Amino acid sequence: GQSLEQPSEVTAVEGAIVQINCTYQTSGFYGLSWYQQHDGGAPTFLSYNALDGLEETGRFSSFLSRSDSYGYLLLQELQMKDSASYFCAVRDRDKLSFGAGTTVTVRA
Amino acid sequence: NAGVTQTPKFRVLKTGQSMTLLCAQDMNHEYMYWYRQDPGMGLRLIHYSVGEGTTAKGEVPDGYNVSRLKKQNFLLGLESAAPSQTSVYFCASRPQSPPGANVLTFGAGSRLTVL
Repeated sequence: GQSLEQPSEVTAVEGAIVQINCTYQTSGFYGLSWYQQHDGGAPTFLSYNALDGLEETGRFSSFLSRSDSYGYLLLQELQMKDSASYFCAVRDRDKLSFGAGTTVTVRA
Repeated sequence: NAGVTQTPKFRVLKTGQSMTLLCAQDMNHEYMYWYRQDPGMGLRLIHYSVGEGTTAKGEVPDGYNVSRLKKQNFLLGLESAAPSQTSVYFCASRPQSPPGANVLTFGAGSRLTVL
């Protein structure tokens, strides 16, 4: 089976940097990905890592350490529109399993 | 390009009634998934399909059935709805091969209430 752990809530001010950690257990590993979901909306893909290291996509970066079964999503230059839930997801060959999500609240 | 389309968007059922949720994708994706989302519990996988004519159970399959007769469609059925099935249901799809294999495209969701 698969399991993922991530913090439930994070609060930060506009312009700050937030790091959301994710630890996982899986029987087979094909990648760790991150999704954003605004209230009432559908999850949308942000970033993924299949290999160790940092992937940068604009203000968002994602990091993976397969030996530690650990990854994180880094949100830089926080904006009010970044207030949302963020989910990490791990893929075995066929299935993607999600963490419970981290609610990020950005304050002015 | 519509992506993933779910119907209906909202439905209210009485306990014991049956219904089917339809998911259609126009991206020629091999893999399709049904998740349910409840407050504080993230997305839990109900059933999935790795291709036309195939289905498999996820982590919470009880009370649901699925079919994938055509590559573009993935149906989720509730034979006898229960209040515990009140949830938001999301369909998602992805291609088989990298780099898109880790990228799920989600539908807008179907909000189901069972009274």
